[in-house]
Amino acid sequence: QKEVEQDPGPLSVPEGAIVSLNCTYSNSAFQYFMWYRQYSRKGPELLMYTYSSGNKEDGRFTAQVDKSSKYISLFIRDSQPSDSATYLCASLSNDYKLSFGAGTTVTVRA
Amino acid sequence: NAGVTQTPKFQVLKTGQSMTLQCAQDMNHEYMSWYRQDPGMGLRLIHYSVGAGITDQGEVPNGYNVSRSTTEDFPLRLLSAAPSQTSVYFCASSYRGQGEAFFGQGTRLTVV
Repeated sequence: QKEVEQDPGPLSVPEGAIVSLNCTYSNSAFQYFMWYRQYSRKGPELLMYTYSSGNKEDGRFTAQVDKSSKYISLFIRDSQPSDSATYLCASLSNDYKLSFGAGTTVTVRA
Repeated sequence: NAGVTQTPKFQVLKTGQSMTLQCAQDMNHEYMSWYRQDPGMGLRLIHYSVGAGITDQGEVPNGYNVSRSTTEDFPLRLLSAAPSQTSVYFCASSYRGQGEAFFGQGTRLTVV
């Protein structure tokens, strides 16, 4: 069983819609949670970084962590065609290794 | 700064051949790692290093070797290529203990 589980989708939404992405994790020791964005044929890039439980907002992006249910979420408001990419959730273990979800491919239709 | 540089970008190997994927970073990061990315599997850790001279196995190390003689370089060696090693390989670096990893552009490897 992977330490971080993510529905691979794909997900297709019209421009302007809210995109909701979710992951679950199994290791209670995880404290740091990340969302990476990967455009086609490129390497992943860090999008959001949160510590412990709570919300973090950055422009149109909001990351949520609920440690009680081991749930990680990313919301994209007013989605744009340029948001079309694969989004990967990740958690950092105590020995500094990143565990990634499978990634969800999102397409925003103009 | 170039960031993380991977070479080659594309490679086709025959079963049984060996090769080395190169990775170099110019950010003085202690932590470097190699991942493979397969459809529906996400990024899986192959090997990682927390500093020069120190390496350790990740989730899927079989068939791969690494070494870390300098802070900048972290090559990945395929000992005897198999079709199951057809994948996209990413090298990443970060400051130790940080979740912000910087990735290279990837190497697309096909083993026939």
